[in-house]
Amino acid sequence: KAGVTQTPRYLIKTRGQQVTLSCSPISGHRSVSWYQQTPGQGLQFLFEYFSETQRNKGNFPGRFSGRQFSNSRSEMNVSTLELGDSALYLCASSQVGERGEQYFGPGTRLTVT
Amino acid sequence: GQQVMQIPQYQHVQEGEDFTTYCNSSTTLSNIQWYKQRPGGHPVFLIQLVKSGEVKKQKRLTFQFGEAKKNSSLHITATQTTDVGTYFCAGTMTTDSWGKLQFGAGTQVVVTP
Repeated sequence: KAGVTQTPRYLIKTRGQQVTLSCSPISGHRSVSWYQQTPGQGLQFLFEYFSETQRNKGNFPGRFSGRQFSNSRSEMNVSTLELGDSALYLCASSQVGERGEQYFGPGTRLTVT
Repeated sequence: GQQVMQIPQYQHVQEGEDFTTYCNSSTTLSNIQWYKQRPGGHPVFLIQLVKSGEVKKQKRLTFQFGEAKKNSSLHITATQTTDVGTYFCAGTMTTDSWGKLQFGAGTQVVVTP
């Protein structure tokens, strides 16, 4: 079974621009979560989608948004990028109703200059 | 702020020694999960604990969930160089719906041969 895939793997953007990141979950997984990882901060929960609906949301500004498609693929968008948005963005999928363990993708490394 | 706290932030261990990393939550948790992230990699699920006072073992790793379901620990015996990485605990607050996982900042483990 293929793992979680994320595209692109690396991205360099300029302040003020917007960016869209993509995540394809493991086949059969309906829950997709997004995390921001920065040194010393660990993983900060952004949001979780299930059946095309945002079920949970973390404490991030409205510039961060996401969506999920009918095939469970998910995208997250960050508008008006700031230098502080530079981070590794991780996507994780899980099977609802199972143990809830999350399978992470390799992440997208976003650098904002 | 961080609702799930982990200590220590860094752990330098001599190969063959034991160490423990601790995880504490400000609120009661429905579950606690542990992940390991190797340098340059993504988090990989290790285990989940759900019951109060639960103890689980995986070879040299022992995981424990506190009686009050507010704390957890990971104890590694006879540390090996393959144990290098950052260990994260993550839990779902009882006040949150399933799918919102709060991660600690992680314990970065360095093993000296």
